[in-house]
Amino acid sequence: DAGVIQSPRHEVTEMGQEVTLRCKPISGHNSLFWYRQTMMRGLELLIYFNNNVPIDDSGMPEDRFSAKMPNASFSTLKIQPSEPRDSAVYFCASDQTGRSSGNTIYFGEGSWLTVV
Amino acid sequence: TQLLEQSPQFLSIQEGENLTVYCNSSSVFSSLQWYRQEPGEGPVLLVTVVTGGEVKKLKRLTFQFGDARKDSSLHITAAQPGDTGLYLCAGLPMEYGNKLVFGAGTILRVKS
Repeated sequence: DAGVIQSPRHEVTEMGQEVTLRCKPISGHNSLFWYRQTMMRGLELLIYFNNNVPIDDSGMPEDRFSAKMPNASFSTLKIQPSEPRDSAVYFCASDQTGRSSGNTIYFGEGSWLTVV
Repeated sequence: TQLLEQSPQFLSIQEGENLTVYCNSSSVFSSLQWYRQEPGEGPVLLVTVVTGGEVKKLKRLTFQFGDARKDSSLHITAAQPGDTGLYLCAGLPMEYGNKLVFGAGTILRVKS
């Protein structure tokens, strides 16, 4: 089975450029999460969607960050303009909500972003 | 301030030793999970504990959920080099619904 698919795996960009990260969740999963991981702050939830609707975006650091989920099989996280402090690994994850045993969230392999 | 405090942050041990990683909070969680993450990959779920006092075993790994559902521990018996990685606890705080929050993680290195 295909897991959560993220692209690009690695991106190096110059400060001020727009960055778009893409995610394809596992088919049938109706929740999608964007996380950011850094050494200093660990894994932080940026935003999550349920049935394509943004439910909680309180973790989005600034207006420079935006996320969309136009359909059940695709989401984007955009940073415009990018800054060096945005350098991190960005993970997309998905799960099938409503399971009584607690969420089983599946993570993608991450997008490694370096802003120089 | 992390909602979930993990300790220790780093652990370097010899093959064959036992170890315990702790995950503590002042908040109550509807469930707690443990993940393992290897370099260049995303976290992979090891276990979910739901009931206060619950103990789950996964081969040499033992997971426990505190009676009050505020803390958890991961114990590894006879650690092996293949256990090396970043161990993360994560939980669903009762007041946050579907918002999974993570601890900062414990970096484990098992030397042969």
